[in-house]
Amino acid sequence: EAGVVQSPRYKIIEKKQPVAFWCNPISGHNTLYWYRQNLGQGPELLIRYENEEAVDDSQLPKDRFSAERLKGVDSTLKIQPAELGDSAVYLCASSLGQTDTQYFGPGTRLTVL
Amino acid sequence: GENVEQHPSTLSVQEGDSAVIKCTYSDSASNYFPWYKQELGKRPQLIIDIRSNVGEKKDQRIAVTLNKTAKHFSLHITETQPEDSAVYFCAASTTGGGADGLTFGKGTHLIIQP
Repeated sequence: EAGVVQSPRYKIIEKKQPVAFWCNPISGHNTLYWYRQNLGQGPELLIRYENEEAVDDSQLPKDRFSAERLKGVDSTLKIQPAELGDSAVYLCASSLGQTDTQYFGPGTRLTVL
Repeated sequence: GENVEQHPSTLSVQEGDSAVIKCTYSDSASNYFPWYKQELGKRPQLIIDIRSNVGEKKDQRIAVTLNKTAKHFSLHITETQPEDSAVYFCAASTTGGGADGLTFGKGTHLIIQP
């Protein structure tokens, strides 16, 4: 069984540019999460999806961040415009249901110059 | 919201010795406590988890203990090996794993000295 897939693995952009990250969860997993991991810190939840519905986006900076999961499978996280402080690893995770183990993808390392 | 504190931030032990990492949480409603291992540049991987209806769980050289009254839980690794070197994160959730996402500690860098 394939794990959570993310692309790109690395992205370097200049500040004020837009950037997008893509996640393909484990097949059959209804719940999808986006986390941000700053250097030397634990992951912090940005948004959680149940199928195509965003059920918890309270930690998502909505002025510049957006996310979608149109068909309840793949998801995209976008930042526009990026700021220097957005440099981090963006992790996607999925779980079968709300009470099940979360499996993480390899992450996208974003560097904003 | 939930707050998870993790100690120590760095732990160095001799190969073959035991390692213990401790976490405390603030929300008494939390009932699911996973531990993830993250090697440099890799994804966090679940190594063990415990739910609030049990006090201890073991899986070979790894064990987790939970004290709900004191709101703390610990990871125990026995007979440490070089491949145990990594950053370990504890986490807590109020809804059994997923509904609110996970609140992570800041991580412990475990170094196994040969």
